[in-house]
Amino acid sequence: QKEVEQDPGPLSVPEGAIVSLNCTYSNSAFQYFMWYRQYSRKGPELLMYTYSSGNKEDGRFTAQVDKSSKYISLFIRDSQPSDSATYLCAVSNTGNQFYFGTGTSLTVIP
Amino acid sequence: KAGVTQTPRYLIKTRGQQVTLSCSPISGHRSVSWYQQTPGQGLQFLFEYFSETQRNKGNFPGRFSGRQFSNSRSEMNVSTLELGDSALYLCASSNGGVRQNIQYFGAGTRLSVL
Repeated sequence: QKEVEQDPGPLSVPEGAIVSLNCTYSNSAFQYFMWYRQYSRKGPELLMYTYSSGNKEDGRFTAQVDKSSKYISLFIRDSQPSDSATYLCAVSNTGNQFYFGTGTSLTVIP
Repeated sequence: KAGVTQTPRYLIKTRGQQVTLSCSPISGHRSVSWYQQTPGQGLQFLFEYFSETQRNKGNFPGRFSGRQFSNSRSEMNVSTLELGDSALYLCASSNGGVRQNIQYFGAGTRLSVL
């Protein structure tokens, strides 16, 4: 079983839509949860970082962690064409090992 | 603060050759991790170095090796290149500590093996 599972998509939405991206993880010991955005031919850039459970909001982005279900989500409100990218979820424990999902490809159509 | 710098950005090699990739972490970061990214497999963890010591290792053959210098800069070497080694190689740095341990990525080195 992989540590993190992520639906690869691709996901295509019209501009202004709410986007929901999701991952599940296997080990309840994971405490750090991250979302990265990767544009074509670039390295991943950190978008959101959450410790333990709960929600975190940053502008149009909201990260949600449900540790009871081992489920993490990223919501994008009022999606823009510039949000078109691949989104990677990542989990980590205090052992300094990071595990990444395979990424979800998102296209926002103007 | 400068980000993670990887050189070179692009490389073309032929089968059987070897290659060395370089990574300069964010100033103050002591942990450097290397990943291989391919369309089918996503991000695959190669290894992590912390204070010049390999601390974690992924499931890659011994042809893949690395090292870290006293200034935290890291190099990754791949010997006897195979066609399947064509990928984007990403380096990520972090403070390596227990708390607030977030990885920041470089732009990557795109390796093509012909």
